[in-house]
Amino acid sequence: KNEVEQSPQNLTAQEGEFITINCSYSVGISALHWLQQHPGGGIVSLFMLSSGKKKHGRLIATINIQEKHSSLHITASHPRDSAVYICAVLGRGGSEKLVFGKGTKLTVNP
Amino acid sequence: NAGVTQTPKFQVLKTGQSMTLQCAQDMNHEYMSWYRQDPGMGLRLIHYSVGAGITDQGEVPNGYNVSRSTTEDFPLRLLSAAPSQTSVYFCASSYLVRGGVSTPLHFGNGTRLTVT
Repeated sequence: KNEVEQSPQNLTAQEGEFITINCSYSVGISALHWLQQHPGGGIVSLFMLSSGKKKHGRLIATINIQEKHSSLHITASHPRDSAVYICAVLGRGGSEKLVFGKGTKLTVNP
Repeated sequence: NAGVTQTPKFQVLKTGQSMTLQCAQDMNHEYMSWYRQDPGMGLRLIHYSVGAGITDQGEVPNGYNVSRSTTEDFPLRLLSAAPSQTSVYFCASSYLVRGGVSTPLHFGNGTRLTVT
């Protein structure tokens, strides 16, 4: 079983819909990263969080350390949000080893 | 400010050949790392470094070698390429905070490697 599980694997939405992508992990962590991989392959860091909630534009990331769960929300989704969203966790104690989920492929149709 | 520069973008090798994937960053990041991305597998850590002269293995280090002689550069060497090493390779860098990768990662654009 992968240490980091993402759901759903694939998600198709209509423009304007509210999107939620989930990430669950099985080990204690010090931080969690959300990344976006564009259709062309480039990877961009969206958020790094260790507690609570962060917001950037239409993107919101939350984490519940006790439940070992994080969510990435996209409000008012747009076709340009179509991408693969990847969750990665960093172990406790300042580990330098990131463990990645397999990604959620989001397609937003106009 | 170039960020993370990864070369080449594409490479085809024959089994047994060796090559080096280059990664350079100009942000004075302590942490540099190499990942491979395979369909259905997600990104997997190959090797990483927390500073010049310091490297360590990740999840899938076999068949790869790294060195970190300067803060800026972190090359990945394939010693004797095998078809199982066909993959997309990404380099990433970051500052280290409290000894961990606690700041955003900056990724290179990737290298698509095919071994025949």
